[in-house]
Amino acid sequence: SYELTQPPSVSVSPGQTARITCSGDALPKQYAYWYQQKPGQAPVLVIYKDSERPSGIPERFSGSSSGTTVTLTISGVQAEDEADYYCQSADSSGTSVVFGGGTKLTVL
Amino acid sequence: QVQLQESGPGLVKPSQTLSLTCTVSGGSISSGSYYWSWIRQPAGKGLEWIGRIYTSGSTNYNPSLKSRVTISVDTSKNQFSLKLSSVTAADTAVYYCAASSGTFDYWGQGTLVTVSS
Repeated sequence: SYELTQPPSVSVSPGQTARITCSGDALPKQYAYWYQQKPGQAPVLVIYKDSERPSGIPERFSGSSSGTTVTLTISGVQAEDEADYYCQSADSSGTSVVFGGGTKLTVL
Repeated sequence: QVQLQESGPGLVKPSQTLSLTCTVSGGSISSGSYYWSWIRQPAGKGLEWIGRIYTSGSTNYNPSLKSRVTISVDTSKNQFSLKLSSVTAADTAVYYCAASSGTFDYWGQGTLVTVSS
């Protein structure tokens, strides 16, 4: 079955830039979405359609796409950004939704 | 603003069927604006999409769970439901219901289901 691959962990110091990648063969055909999840909470959408930012999400969150890889970039990371981040997309047919394995962002 | 609330038993015995219901408020489940999905997350692990249903009744399931999953909708009650058969300890997880239009726009708070004798 289709899979999205993320690094298990990323660590950055406050104020630096964090980049979290997500790779999948169908990403050139299907949009990617990014969610932030803090302990004990439901996920929150931070990027949709590869690079669009929902209202209420800080401008430091951005998304990009290149071929089979999409990237979530957090510029000027703050302590409050420490969380798990998941990419989500669909298989090439669009009938099966898939999540990446998740990336734990640690703010040093 | 659509709101979702999961309900159902918190403890299910191995080999039995897990049954959960999601009640939708703040909008009609028949509106045609969303797919209605179930997602789960074992403790300390990632999110796993289980499946979804559209108002028409058409469904899509995760291939790895397809043989054990049934999702249905009750428009009269503004609810949709999940049944997962032949459960094992590996099915222990927080189960979320969600409304999606490409992205998962709205989520329930999640309900913990433990599979244990």
